[in-house]
Amino acid sequence: QKEVEQDPGPLSVPEGAIVSLNCTYSNSAFQYFMWYRQYSRKGPELLMYTYSSGNKEDGRFTAQVDKSSKYISLFIRDSQPSDSATYLCAMSASAGTASKLTFGTGTRLQVTL
Amino acid sequence: GAVVSQHPSWVICKSGTSVKIECRSLDFQATTMFWYRQFPKQSLMLMATSNEGSKATYEQGVEKDKFLINHASLTLSTLTVTSAHPEDSSFYICSAPTSSGNTIYFGEGSWLTVV
Repeated sequence: QKEVEQDPGPLSVPEGAIVSLNCTYSNSAFQYFMWYRQYSRKGPELLMYTYSSGNKEDGRFTAQVDKSSKYISLFIRDSQPSDSATYLCAMSASAGTASKLTFGTGTRLQVTL
Repeated sequence: GAVVSQHPSWVICKSGTSVKIECRSLDFQATTMFWYRQFPKQSLMLMATSNEGSKATYEQGVEKDKFLINHASLTLSTLTVTSAHPEDSSFYICSAPTSSGNTIYFGEGSWLTVV
């Protein structure tokens, strides 16, 4: 079993839809949770950073962490074609220079007109 | 703008030669940087942790003599792929935690093609 599981998709939604992306994990030591967006042939771009359980909102993006269920989500409201990319969840047990990230496999999202 | 810069973005080299990829943290110092490798449509796989002033720590299965890492300063880490072969062709990405330690930024990545 992988430490972090993520549905690879592809996920196709119409413009304006609400998108839900999810990851599950098995390592209860993970405390720091991140979502990255990666466009084709580019490096990952940090979208959201969350510590421990709870919700965090930033514009059209909302990140949720449920540590009791070992489940994290990223919601995208009013999705746009420019949101089409691969979304990677990542997590670590510690912050700072000791923060080796464990990634999900990424979910490919396609937002259609 | 980018807070972690990688160079070159694209490189093609002949089999048997060596290639150096640079990773620089902009506007902050990074005592630690991470090097990843990503194959098409796959996630990032951590190769090694680069430590300023000391030896890099390699993940299991990564050949340290093939992938030489040098963290020469608090803003620069380099990855040298030695005696490159076509199977080394991949997307190499570095990352660095910010000074506060709360977030990790990635470079733009470097595409290596070995012919």
